[in-house]
Amino acid sequence: EIVLTQSPATLSLSPGERATLSCRASQSVRTSLVWYQQKPGQAPRLLIYDASNRATGFPARFSGSGSGTDFTLTISSLEPEDFAVYYCQQRSDWPITFGQGTRLEIK
Amino acid sequence: QVQLVQSGAGVKKPGASLNVSCRASGYTFIAYYIHWVRQAPGQGLEWMGWINPNTGGTNYAQNFQGRVTMTRDKSISTAYMELTRLRSDDTAVYYCARDFRGSADAFDIWGQGTMVTVSS
Repeated sequence: EIVLTQSPATLSLSPGERATLSCRASQSVRTSLVWYQQKPGQAPRLLIYDASNRATGFPARFSGSGSGTDFTLTISSLEPEDFAVYYCQQRSDWPITFGQGTRLEIK
Repeated sequence: QVQLVQSGAGVKKPGASLNVSCRASGYTFIAYYIHWVRQAPGQGLEWMGWINPNTGGTNYAQNFQGRVTMTRDKSISTAYMELTRLRSDDTAVYYCARDFRGSADAFDIWGQGTMVTVSS
């Protein structure tokens, strides 16, 4: 199965700063990479699909990039509501797999 | 609005079975695959499988083969997931989620989650 490794595990930043989250796949997933945002006590929420397409409801400060094995989620200027856990997911091959998550916390 | 509403939380004994329902509303149930994903306390997400609500076809993750069964009732727009021979490490929140474009894509609508605790 394809293993997704997210880094860092925890990212401590202040509102207004830029956040860069990484997801690396153990083999190429082309652009079949998805990002979710999860807040405590809530279900995950679709954020980015096909590596770079922003889902409905998320502002333009969120962007995704990458292809093959290396992917990045960037939040250009953090707002208080952006602090959450972010997961990547690959849909290139069975089984569908998720990364272990990056916790974005307020510094 | 488009939503998935799951059945309530519960406590199960080791060796028992769990059954979770997932009722869809606000969209055409048979048009979108339903996936099941679980999340152990404080842990990440684990994909369990999918069901095609139109045909009833299923695809299960290897980790759950032989223990999981996914079904649906088109007449009430509801999907079900049964997991048998429960162990303590099956303690988790179980989510159903809609696949927004196919059978292996992104999950755009999620249920609220069903917390299942396996304990003697």
